[in-house]
Amino acid sequence: SAVISQKPSRDICQRGTSLTIQCQVDSQVTMMFWYRQQPGQSLTLIATANQGSEATYESGFVIDKFPISRPNLTFSTLTVSNMSPEDSSIYLCSVAGPLNYGYTFGSGTRLTVV
Amino acid sequence: GEDVEQSLFLSVREGDSSVINCTYTDSSSTYLYWYKQEPGAGLQLLTYIFSNMDMKQDQRLTVLLNKKDKHLSLRIADTQTGDSAIYFCALMDSSYKLIFGSGTRLLVRP
Repeated sequence: SAVISQKPSRDICQRGTSLTIQCQVDSQVTMMFWYRQQPGQSLTLIATANQGSEATYESGFVIDKFPISRPNLTFSTLTVSNMSPEDSSIYLCSVAGPLNYGYTFGSGTRLTVV
Repeated sequence: GEDVEQSLFLSVREGDSSVINCTYTDSSSTYLYWYKQEPGAGLQLLTYIFSNMDMKQDQRLTVLLNKKDKHLSLRIADTQTGDSAIYFCALMDSSYKLIFGSGTRLLVRP
């Protein structure tokens, strides 16, 4: 299965600022996803990052708040814009492998907004 | 949309078996997965089951799928303290997206 390098692993940010999270995969993958895990909660899909086109956002998530880039088949970024304390969460990227291998996840970015 | 439910907490004694349950609403899922999340870590795929299977065994792990009742379970035999973590069931929907359950926190007592 693919190996994902996600960074930063954690950050503490001031409200009103933005943070860009990077996800690097060791092989070319078609489908990449970004998830949010709020404290004590399950994972919620933010968007699917599409190579060469705009990301596809899930209900409740918008491009202005969570712009995503996917310049090639091995890399993607998620930006959390104009942050507020409610954005404090773990953000994870994921790539789709062969179906019987499931989806591989990065180690996550733990974001705290103060 | 798909709704996936899990009990929130399970406590077992070391050496006992653990059974984590998951119920879902959409019967069209092709693959069903179990993930493990340890504190401060990402998600690790433990095992999966294809929808045309009833059972799958992988070392200490046994997955049971009851499609009629839309019920998935994960049994961990001889549970160890290192098994303490949050366990998520996840289903793949028709768009190849994963829908996660709420997670079950497993505590293994020595």
